[in-house]
Amino acid sequence: EAGVTQFPSHSVIEKGQTVTLRCDPISGHDNLYWYRRVMGKEIKFLLHFVKESKQDESGMPNNRFLAERTGGTYSTLKVQPAELEDSGVYFCASSQVRGGSPLPDTQYFGPGTRLTVL
Amino acid sequence: EDQVTQSPEALRLQEGESSSLNCSYTVSGLRGLFWYRQDPGKGPEFLFTLYSAGEEKEKERLKATLTKKESFLHITAPKPEDSATYLCAPIQGAQKLVFGQGTRLTINP
Repeated sequence: EAGVTQFPSHSVIEKGQTVTLRCDPISGHDNLYWYRRVMGKEIKFLLHFVKESKQDESGMPNNRFLAERTGGTYSTLKVQPAELEDSGVYFCASSQVRGGSPLPDTQYFGPGTRLTVL
Repeated sequence: EDQVTQSPEALRLQEGESSSLNCSYTVSGLRGLFWYRQDPGKGPEFLFTLYSAGEEKEKERLKATLTKKESFLHITAPKPEDSATYLCAPIQGAQKLVFGQGTRLTINP
């Protein structure tokens, strides 16, 4: 079974440009998450989708970031316009929805997209 | 404010030398904790989930334990292939993970 995939693996852009990151979750996983690690810091939560709905977007840093998940399958994270401080590694994770269980589901991570803003 | 502290930041061991990594946390709405392993240039790889104090999980040379305020990852007789960064991530609220900085573990042959 294929794991979480992310595209591109690396992106280098100029400040002020737009970049779109893509995440394909594990097939059948309704939960999809975005996280990022900026230089020297810990991995931080950005947002959580359940199918196509945003469940929690409390970690989104500002309105330059737009996440979508049309159709409840893959997701995109657009940064427009990019700033220097957006550089870092963006991770996507996915998990199943447990029917009837209150316990959190295991989140499986993709390899990440390394974004460099010059 | 939610806080996760992992110690030590880095640990160098000889092959076969057992040790423990610590994760202490203050997280509101805690619903459990994940341990992950991360190799350079890759995403976090799932190791364990612990849901309640007193719980223990084992996998090969690794054992994870959980108390109300901390979790330990014990590594017994490690091998060079166990070298990686180990991340703990308490689960807050519905599904939000709060990561620590990680412990960078190096096992020398």
